[in-house]
Amino acid sequence: EPEVTQTPSHQVTQMGQEVILRCVPISNHLYFYWYRQILGQKVEFLVSFYNNEISEKSEIFDDQFSVERPDGSNFTLKIRSTKLEDSAMYFCATTSGPNEQFFGPGTRLTVL
Amino acid sequence: RKEVEQDPGPFNVPEGATVAFNCTYSNSASQSFFWYRQDCRKEPKLLMSVYSSGNEDGRFTAQLNRASQYISLLIRDSKLSDSATYLCVVPRHPMNTGFQKLVFGTGTRLLVSP
Repeated sequence: EPEVTQTPSHQVTQMGQEVILRCVPISNHLYFYWYRQILGQKVEFLVSFYNNEISEKSEIFDDQFSVERPDGSNFTLKIRSTKLEDSAMYFCATTSGPNEQFFGPGTRLTVL
Repeated sequence: RKEVEQDPGPFNVPEGATVAFNCTYSNSASQSFFWYRQDCRKEPKLLMSVYSSGNEDGRFTAQLNRASQYISLLIRDSKLSDSATYLCVVPRHPMNTGFQKLVFGTGTRLLVSP
């Protein structure tokens, strides 16, 4: 069964550093999403991406965040200058249309 | 009213018990709903979709009450492996787009004991 993969599984970084989280979507999927989940809290939408453009972003997704699909396969989330409060699980999700979103296993980001 | 609201639990039940979770949503225009299951520190996985009045899949039954704006999930004959957090999810569809943004509840934790 095809699946979404994410790397790294765990990233530890110092406050102020840049991090790039990577996602490899299921091959025929066209819609991509990033969600995050702070420990003990609910899953929150960050951004959706289609046709090489951001479709929608939440108020969490400020100027420190960016997404791109640099090589037609990987889908990345970049945080330019990490803050302590960015520590969370970051999940990539993909879908072929307005139906089930398939989630990757997540990247646990720890900002020290 | 929160967009999606769930009782966080935990619900502690013995194996074989029947347990039900409720979820309320605020957007009366919502047409479809999902129940996802999340194990500790893992990704959410789709358990059931609800598009009309309800859906049944083996031991799991989801029901939708549009008038009262709530969705329920019933688990019959609970197994130890059912222990997880159950997430109520309401998609939001921006007009004329093919994508949907998932709005998650906080989840209801279920613990099934021997």
